[in-house]
Amino acid sequence: ETGVTQTPRHLVMGMTNKKSLKCEQHLGHNAMYWYKQSAKKPLELMFVYSLEERVENNSVPSRFSPECPNSSHLFLHLHTLQPEDSALYLCASSQGVDFTDTQYFGPGTRLTVL
Amino acid sequence: KQEVTQIPAALSVPEGENLVLNCSFTDSAIYNLQWFRQDPGKGLTSLLLIQSSQREQTSGRLNASLDKSSGRSTLYIAASQPGDSATYLCAVRPLGDDKIIFGKGTRLHILP
Repeated sequence: ETGVTQTPRHLVMGMTNKKSLKCEQHLGHNAMYWYKQSAKKPLELMFVYSLEERVENNSVPSRFSPECPNSSHLFLHLHTLQPEDSALYLCASSQGVDFTDTQYFGPGTRLTVL
Repeated sequence: KQEVTQIPAALSVPEGENLVLNCSFTDSAIYNLQWFRQDPGKGLTSLLLIQSSQREQTSGRLNASLDKSSGRSTLYIAASQPGDSATYLCAVRPLGDDKIIFGKGTRLHILP
């Protein structure tokens, strides 16, 4: 399998649930990203990882917790979310972390918080 | 604070026409600018990346220009096809900042 994959593609959860989003890249890249895409809003960068170390955290609420166990996998752990957190969550990867390289995106996870 | 604006928000054109999508940014101190495409229900696909020292990039029927001093970029699509229907996003990386700032996108619909 090639490119960037994300699972699940769709997720519905209650405000008290705990769930995790998974991203896997098969491109041999060193950097991975989480983005949030809400309806009618610009795409927002949430987290950046370079060689498994977090290098960027754009004031994201603590109910979102990223984890990068290795350079190919990235998780986003979710707990006690709010309905306004419903959005499309996109994962991306690139060769380098300084955004000079093209980013490759996964298909996204459509999250609905009830 | 850098802001990225894309006009129009939506555009419908007949198949075969050439078209231009516009992107503007408020701060000319950028490292690069990217154009992405997003199909419904799918992730983003990077189309073109223009470094700040470049004026344009071309890929097939796509041509992206960058005028950093005026804070503008255009994406030109030649001989449009129904398969070009998607949302097109513009994004800039500000100088000295490890983030990308996206516009809200232009929803393009090519009429068969």
